Amino acid sequence: DTEVTQTPKHLVMGMTNKKSLKCEQHMGHRAMYWYKQKAKKPPELMFVYSYEKLSINESVPSRFSPECPNSSLLNLHLHALQPEDSALYLCASSPPGTGAPYEQYFGPGTRLTVT
Amino acid sequence: GENVEQHPSTLSVQEGDSAVIKCTYSDSASNYFPWYKQELGKRPQLIIDIRSNVGEKKDQRIAVTLNKTAKHFSLHITETQPEDSAVYFCAASIHRWGNQFYFGTGTSLTVIP
Repeated sequence: DTEVTQTPKHLVMGMTNKKSLKCEQHMGHRAMYWYKQKAKKPPELMFVYSYEKLSINESVPSRFSPECPNSSLLNLHLHALQPEDSALYLCASSPPGTGAPYEQYFGPGTRLTVT
Repeated sequence: GENVEQHPSTLSVQEGDSAVIKCTYSDSASNYFPWYKQELGKRPQLIIDIRSNVGEKKDQRIAVTLNKTAKHFSLHITETQPEDSAVYFCAASIHRWGNQFYFGTGTSLTVIP
């Protein structure tokens, strides 16, 4: 299996809802990422998990809450979002880097609309 | 932190011509430089990459060059085809804190048939 998968593909939620995005990979990668991407802009890093531990939080508002239950799964819990949070949310993974950089592979993304 | 600049932001070429996209980076510790192609509504797809111990890498019609001294790297696409039309992102990675990737602002490439 050489893919990163994400569910759901599309999500519409109200500002008071609670929802979760899910990401899965079975490539044995030990670094997993959440990015937010607005139209015609580059992916914007939100969180990095390295060996199931949160290693980078790019000052993301607390209404976004990441979780890494095991080495294959990454979740992003959403609560009380704002309309400006509407975007494509991309998950990515890469092999562990021990002194050498490795490729990063993206999932297909979840298109989130906050109403 | 690392700052990656990418030019041009838009590029139109005739089918069969070459396209060149350039990126500069600021942190000399960056040691891995991938290029991603993103078609409308799809995920960024890794198309080619280069590590800091290599000056040039080629894969069929695509090549990447790296000048570590000047801190810049470029993507070259030869014999362009309409299916090359997409947004291209460069990135620089520093192996610290879990392989953090810094992206350029993107180049929208249009290949005119």
